[in-house]
Amino acid sequence: AQRVTQPEKLLSVFKGAPVELKCNYSYSGSPELFWYVQYSRQRLQLLLRHISRESIKGFTADLNKGETSFHLKKPFAQEEDSAMYYCALSGDYILTGGGNKLTFGTGTQLKVEL
Amino acid sequence: DAGVTQSPTHLIKTRGQQVTLRCSPKSGHDTVSWYQQALGQGPQFIFQYYEEEERQRGNFPDRFSGHQFPNYSSELNVNALLLGDSALYLCASERRGIGHEQFFGPGTRLTVL
Repeated sequence: AQRVTQPEKLLSVFKGAPVELKCNYSYSGSPELFWYVQYSRQRLQLLLRHISRESIKGFTADLNKGETSFHLKKPFAQEEDSAMYYCALSGDYILTGGGNKLTFGTGTQLKVEL
Repeated sequence: DAGVTQSPTHLIKTRGQQVTLRCSPKSGHDTVSWYQQALGQGPQFIFQYYEEEERQRGNFPDRFSGHQFPNYSSELNVNALLLGDSALYLCASERRGIGHEQFFGPGTRLTVL
């Protein structure tokens, strides 16, 4: 079974402070991990995925298979980073020949205060 | 390209009724997935359609069914509505193949009274 855990419902930081949103997963095979973001009144959109190893809007995430974690980090928070962040896993991707079947965590609301 | 579109935006039904939600995928996409997002929760996978067939299914009862049309658009049907079916229903589309991103629609808010 696939499971994604985001332990914090709400994370409040000051502008310019570092941000770390935690994500732990449970999956027996080789997972593909994602971070999705939902800004106020906007649709869910992909922020980054571990296989691309990109930095998007200053955010990075490293897959740690030993700790089964995929924490999202940013060195200096900006006001526009305030949003709901979801960690997601697609584990059966390759076995089914394609087609993401995403398992989401419950989300962390990030609030950046001035 | 408007991206993934869904209709209607909001819907109110009573217990026992049936509902149909609609989704048009992003241009160039051939695979459609449906998710249910209850208040305060992350989206939960319902099922996925490709080539007009259900390819994968999550832990949802048979009351939840779907369809995909030749133009790749899709419908989600829910029969015998329960109060617990009240949620935001999200449609997502992608182009079949490894490494492709799933794009989400704005959702349909279903309220069951």
